[in-house]
Amino acid sequence: DGGITQSPKYLFRKEGQNVTLSCEQNLNHDAMYWYRQDPGQGLRLIYYSQIVNDFQKGDIAEGYSVSREKKESFPLTVTSAQKNPTAFYLCASSEPGEAETQYFGPGTRLLVL
Amino acid sequence: QKEVEQDPGPLSVPEGAIVSLNCTYSNSAFQYFMWYRQYSRKGPELLMYTYSSGNKEDGRFTAQVDKSSKYISLFIRDSQPSDSATYLCATTDSWGKLQFGAGTQVVVTP
Repeated sequence: DGGITQSPKYLFRKEGQNVTLSCEQNLNHDAMYWYRQDPGQGLRLIYYSQIVNDFQKGDIAEGYSVSREKKESFPLTVTSAQKNPTAFYLCASSEPGEAETQYFGPGTRLLVL
Repeated sequence: QKEVEQDPGPLSVPEGAIVSLNCTYSNSAFQYFMWYRQYSRKGPELLMYTYSSGNKEDGRFTAQVDKSSKYISLFIRDSQPSDSATYLCATTDSWGKLQFGAGTQVVVTP
């Protein structure tokens, strides 16, 4: 059963703490993406990766970091530099050059304590 | 100004009615046009995508694109309570990056 998994479903961050959100896909897609969704706003692109060991900043990369060591995995770290991290984080994947058919994971809700 | 504008709603319709959703976009270079459905606290699900102006139909859903006026629409016929969700429009820019509207919340009442 192919798809994208994200964990955890809910994540709590303390002040000054870095936290890492997991994203795994078994769709054999080369491209992966991270988005942030705030209430009343559309999805905004944080980082994307078209291939293993390569990634690019999106529109709101400040305060976030990623790695892409394996094709199926694209973890996102929310660093202490991100001053407003409370949001719903969504991971997606697609074939490279086929961004119009991105498939999304179930999301992780990050809350600040 | 946002690149993709979408009325956030909520849009409330009775069961069986036609739901009409629309978005406008600013950049004539946008290439693909997508509609996603997102249930509360879930990830978006791709409903349809289209490349050219005109209509595309899939079951009860019809997507319409008018590139001359930079206007995209989604129609849902014979709406059901299970259609209650937020509907997001999106386009791809020349770099292949998605630009999303804010989403329209739809409520179908039995």
